[in-house]
Amino acid sequence: AQSVTQLGSHVSVSEGALVLLRCNYSSSVPPYLFWYVQYPNQGLQLLLKYTSAATLVKGINGFEAEFKKSETSFHLTKPSAHMSDAAEYFCAVSKPQTGFQKLVFGTGTRLLVSP
Amino acid sequence: DAGVTQSPTHLIKTRGQHVTLRCSPISGHKSVSWYQQVLGQGPQFIFQYYEKEERGRGNFPDRFSARQFPNYSSELNVNALLLGDSALYLCASRDTGTLDTIYFGEGSWLTVV
Repeated sequence: AQSVTQLGSHVSVSEGALVLLRCNYSSSVPPYLFWYVQYPNQGLQLLLKYTSAATLVKGINGFEAEFKKSETSFHLTKPSAHMSDAAEYFCAVSKPQTGFQKLVFGTGTRLLVSP
Repeated sequence: DAGVTQSPTHLIKTRGQHVTLRCSPISGHKSVSWYQQVLGQGPQFIFQYYEKEERGRGNFPDRFSARQFPNYSSELNVNALLLGDSALYLCASRDTGTLDTIYFGEGSWLTVV
């Protein structure tokens, strides 16, 4: 079975500070990994995904994540936080396969950005 | 191009009633999945349909059912509603290559009272 653990239900940063959201995964096969963002009262928007190509993945809005197999981690970072980054962030894992694809999500991390 | 569209956006139902939620995938996408997101938690997989057949099912009771139509739109049905069914129901669509991204709609907020 696959699973994702997101450390920290809430992360607070100041505007301009580094953002680091942690995600560790468990998977019996090489995984695909995703970060999604959810703004209040909205659906999920894909930030970035890892699909076994480059281990450093760049996404939208200046976010990036690095796949570290030895640490089973896929942490999300952004060098400088902006007020508009305040949202809920979800890490997800899936098996790479055609046809059927199920995302297994973590419990989410709420990012708070203060002026 | 339109993204994944869901209706209704909000609804309130009474315990024991039935609800139908609807989803239209991105044009050209043949796979539709449904997820339930309870407040404060991550989304949980309910169903996936591809080419009008159920291809996967999560750990949900038989009160939950779904179907996919020839135009690839989908319905999620929940019978005998319980208070615990109150959640955001997300529909997602995907093309069917292994690298293709899953795109989510804005969701349907269901409140059971």
